[in-house]
Amino acid sequence: QMQVVESGGGLVKPGGSLRLSCAASGFTFSDYYMTWIRQAPGKGLEWVSYISSSSSHTNYADSVKGRFTISRDNAKNSVSLQMNSLRADDTAVYYCARTSAVAATRWFDPWGQGTLVTVSS
Amino acid sequence: QSALTQPASVSGSPGQSITISCTGTSSDVGAYNYVSWYQQHPGKAPKLMIYDVSNRPSGVSNRFSGSKSGNTASLTISGLQAEDEADYYCTSYTSSSPPVVFGGGTKLTVL
Repeated sequence: QMQVVESGGGLVKPGGSLRLSCAASGFTFSDYYMTWIRQAPGKGLEWVSYISSSSSHTNYADSVKGRFTISRDNAKNSVSLQMNSLRADDTAVYYCARTSAVAATRWFDPWGQGTLVTVSS
Repeated sequence: QSALTQPASVSGSPGQSITISCTGTSSDVGAYNYVSWYQQHPGKAPKLMIYDVSNRPSGVSNRFSGSKSGNTASLTISGLQAEDEADYYCTSYTSSSPPVVFGGGTKLTVL
């Protein structure tokens, strides 16, 4: 069955860096865009970034632009999110999800279990 | 403030039907048939329930249905069951930035 599994979360100090990874299985990874979505504690969902199937196109939320970088490795069926200059308001559970190659934010399925990033001194 | 407006909470008794609304604008919900709905149980990842306004992914119960009229999309759950108690989020594709807008979420309570 289709599955994505995130890893790499943890506690980091403000200004620090963290790299999240997402391993995909059960579908043809190279056919789909991949996206990261986050959810702050007790809050709603916020789209963070997506990457096209060939890595030729990326897009970022204004709140992370210039600080976060998304990348993928189709040979390893994985997508990563490099997060630099982290701030307290980046604290959230980060979800990886497969998304459509047509209208890249049309739907998100499946989602991983999420990985918690806590930015605190 | 979320870009799409959902009621904060709805409730219903087992066996009843409920509808959750999701109101956007002519730039998102009203412009594209790319509305999706997600169910999230506490401490769990969201699950896709409806995509492209009214399509159900394989494995999702046919008690869940979606529709759209103008700038408002709706999720209807018929034959409410205790397991349906969860948070529900709507999203819509947009051609602007950001390329997707989310609703603030609706907490469904099964009485």
